[in-house]
Amino acid sequence: DGGITQSPKYLFRKEGQNVTLSCEQNLNHDAMYWYRQDPGQGLRLIYYSQIVNDFQKGDIAEGYSVSREKKESFPLTVTSAQKNPTAFYLCASSVLGAPNTGELFFGEGSRLTVL
Amino acid sequence: GENVEQHPSTLSVQEGDSAVIKCTYSDSASNYFPWYKQELGKGPQLIIDIRSNVGEKKDQRIAVTLNKTAKHFSLHITETQPEDSAVYFCAASIVGSARQLTFGSGTQLTVLP
Repeated sequence: DGGITQSPKYLFRKEGQNVTLSCEQNLNHDAMYWYRQDPGQGLRLIYYSQIVNDFQKGDIAEGYSVSREKKESFPLTVTSAQKNPTAFYLCASSVLGAPNTGELFFGEGSRLTVL
Repeated sequence: GENVEQHPSTLSVQEGDSAVIKCTYSDSASNYFPWYKQELGKGPQLIIDIRSNVGEKKDQRIAVTLNKTAKHFSLHITETQPEDSAVYFCAASIVGSARQLTFGSGTQLTVLP
């Protein structure tokens, strides 16, 4: 079955540590996205990539980094510079040109807790 | 940039009743309005969308209406069922632009048996 796989589902981190969240898709989509979800704040865009080896900052990119070395993979690193990293992180993908005209496909999310 | 406000933040209805969730947007250039449903422990899933060239769109028990003049759009769910319980997000964007979707803050819908 085609879809988006995020791992790990739950992650605990000590303050000052970097952590990398994995996102893999087998939908052959060109575009991939990372969103952060906090209670009462909806979905906020962290980074997105429309093509391999290229990515753009979203609304809340500070303290995060990404790479897009392969079409199917878009890992997100939450660095120690992110002041409030505890959140639910969602990865998504779409055909090029969406989501403005079509569908975003989401993974099941990764919940990061900083202790 | 675009700002999307969504109300209410929580909504409880009796099974079989209707539910309405409303969103307003700030940028009059926005012309694409999707709705996503997020079930517990899962990622959001597109359930219906509308473009600004139509005022209403229906798909079985769900419908979306758009008022471009007032810059608001609404999700209507009729004959609600327990499986409709979820968080619903509205969003807005401009077709063909580089601007990404702007999401509302979400509505937790609970359908009471």
